[in-house]
Amino acid sequence: AQKITQTQPGMFVQEKEAVTLDCTYDTSDPSYGLFWYKQPSSGEMIFLIYQGSYDQQNATEGRYSLNFQKARKSANLVISASQLGDSAMYFCAMRSPLSQGGSEKLVFGKGTKLTVNP
Amino acid sequence: SAVISQKPSRDICQRGTSLTIQCQVDSQVTMMFWYRQQPGQSLTLIATANQGSEATYESGFVIDKFPISRPNLTFSTLTVSNMSPEDSSIYLCSVRISGNTIYFGEGSWLTVV
Repeated sequence: AQKITQTQPGMFVQEKEAVTLDCTYDTSDPSYGLFWYKQPSSGEMIFLIYQGSYDQQNATEGRYSLNFQKARKSANLVISASQLGDSAMYFCAMRSPLSQGGSEKLVFGKGTKLTVNP
Repeated sequence: SAVISQKPSRDICQRGTSLTIQCQVDSQVTMMFWYRQQPGQSLTLIATANQGSEATYESGFVIDKFPISRPNLTFSTLTVSNMSPEDSSIYLCSVRISGNTIYFGEGSWLTVV
């Protein structure tokens, strides 16, 4: 069974500094996808970044980058130059492999609450 | 990016009643997914909704409690039946429009009193 672990219930960072949110995963499938989502207090889930298991390079999207270490089964999110608006819950998720009748359904970690201090 | 609209955005309901949540997507998609997020918790998949077939429910979720309709490729509804306070949650629909991105609707906050 697939599993996502986020060990940091809460993180604090000073505005304009970088922060790393940890995510480790467990799967026996060679093909999988990893996602990060941001959930502000409004409740919506905002897609941030995606990393495929066969992608050669780490994914980047603006101030977000994914530190993908396949051998360690980790997919940490790095947010550079933190802004006050980055304060939110952040969820790491894994997609079931399509080859095994999987689909686009996701398995989520418990999330990390990020607080950006001025 | 995709536009996924959910209605209602928030509602307060009496226990024992039912509420239907709508999810509208601005493009055609094969599968739509319904998730539940209980207070302070992560997201859990309720069911997968395919157009023209019965929804597929995850362990712990049953059709009688969470009936789902999928009348076309851009729309789905989730009904929360015979509600109890334990059903107070955010309910979210999600889809994959293209590529590897999976999008979510804005969520429907449900409070059962």
